[in-house]
Amino acid sequence: AQSVAQPEDQVNVAEGNPLTVKCTYSVSGNPYLFWYVQYPNRGLQFLLKYITGDNLVKGSYGFEAEFNKSQTSFHLKKPSALVSDSALYFCAVRDVASGTYKYIFGTGTRLKVLA
Amino acid sequence: DAMVIQNPRYQVTQFGKPVTLSCSQTLNHNVMYWYQQKSSQAPKLLFHYYDKDFNNEADTPDNFQSRRPNTSFCFLDIRSPGLGDTAMYLCAAEPAGTSYEQYFGPGTRLTVT
Repeated sequence: AQSVAQPEDQVNVAEGNPLTVKCTYSVSGNPYLFWYVQYPNRGLQFLLKYITGDNLVKGSYGFEAEFNKSQTSFHLKKPSALVSDSALYFCAVRDVASGTYKYIFGTGTRLKVLA
Repeated sequence: DAMVIQNPRYQVTQFGKPVTLSCSQTLNHNVMYWYQQKSSQAPKLLFHYYDKDFNNEADTPDNFQSRRPNTSFCFLDIRSPGLGDTAMYLCAAEPAGTSYEQYFGPGTRLTVT
């Protein structure tokens, strides 16, 4: 079965410091991996994806993620956090193996950037 | 410019009183989704359309129905809302093909009293 784990409910980081939000996955076949961000009372916004190619993926708002096949991880990173990055972050995998292509979301990680 | 629009943004309804949530998209995407999201939990897929083909999740209650009269519009009907249906309802659109990205609307926050 396909699954995604976000081991941290909340991550606190000081403004200007690098941030990492962790995600690990378990899939059959090649992983289709995504990060979405959700601001309060808003829908989800696409940040970046890994389908194939370079392991380091660059996305919106200065975020990037590194696909690590051996560790089955897809951690989200940013070199210098902003207070405006404070939001709820979801890692997701597309269920390609079943043919449904549904998203399987992690439980979310709340990022709090402190001024 | 808004690409996926949901109305209303906030809806209060009484226990058992039918309610309809609407979603429209200006993207002309083939696939549309409805998700339920409770208090900062992960979104839970209710159903989706590929064009007119309707796909219901196995655990979606019968109380939840959907209509897609054309490419642009999709509706979520809750026939007899219960208190447990209080949640954010998210609509999303996705183009057919290999983009795999979903474009979400801002959501409708439904409160059942």
